[in-house]
Amino acid sequence: DIQLTQSPSFQFASVGDRLTITCRASHGISSNLAWYQQKPGRAPNLLIYGASTLQSGVPSRFSGSGSGTEFTLTISSLQPDDFATYYCQQLNGYPFTFGPGTKVGIK
Amino acid sequence: QVQLVESGGGVVQPGRSLRLSCAASGFTFGSYTMHWVRQVPGKGLEWVALMSYDGTKKSHADSVKGRFTISRDNSKNTLNLQMSSLQVEDTAVYYCARGRTFGTGWYFDLWGQGTLVTVSS
Repeated sequence: DIQLTQSPSFQFASVGDRLTITCRASHGISSNLAWYQQKPGRAPNLLIYGASTLQSGVPSRFSGSGSGTEFTLTISSLQPDDFATYYCQQLNGYPFTFGPGTKVGIK
Repeated sequence: QVQLVESGGGVVQPGRSLRLSCAASGFTFGSYTMHWVRQVPGKGLEWVALMSYDGTKKSHADSVKGRFTISRDNSKNTLNLQMSSLQVEDTAVYYCARGRTFGTGWYFDLWGQGTLVTVSS
């Protein structure tokens, strides 16, 4: 199985900050990676797919990059609605594993 | 509107069975591969199973293989997860999700609100 790691596990930030989350895969997964945002008590919400394609309706302050084994999610200017947990997911092959998550809290 | 609604969760004793359902509406259910994903409260996400749009292909995570079975009824726009020999470790919120293809990969673009399964004596 392909394992995913995320760093950092926790990030405290302020409104307006630029935030970058890294996801690393144990084996190459081409660009078959998605990013999701999840808020407490809610289902995950798709942000990015294909490593860098922004899902329709997602604000342009979110962006993704990377291929192979290293990927990043960047929020260019953190907004109050962005404080949440972020997960990466590899969709290159079964099982479609998720990263452990990065919780973004208010500084 | 376009949505997925899970049902069937509850409290069940270890070793017993439970059947979850996911009702789809607002889109052509029979055109999409569907997935189950679970999340232990306060923990991360775990992919559980998938079934292809026509029901001919399915796959289950090793953690549930032989105990859980995914199925679908396209005439009723419903995805199911039959869970047997339930263990305390199966306690989680279970989500159904719609899969889309992109290049050689996938992504999950629509999720239900989840249904909580609690396995406890």
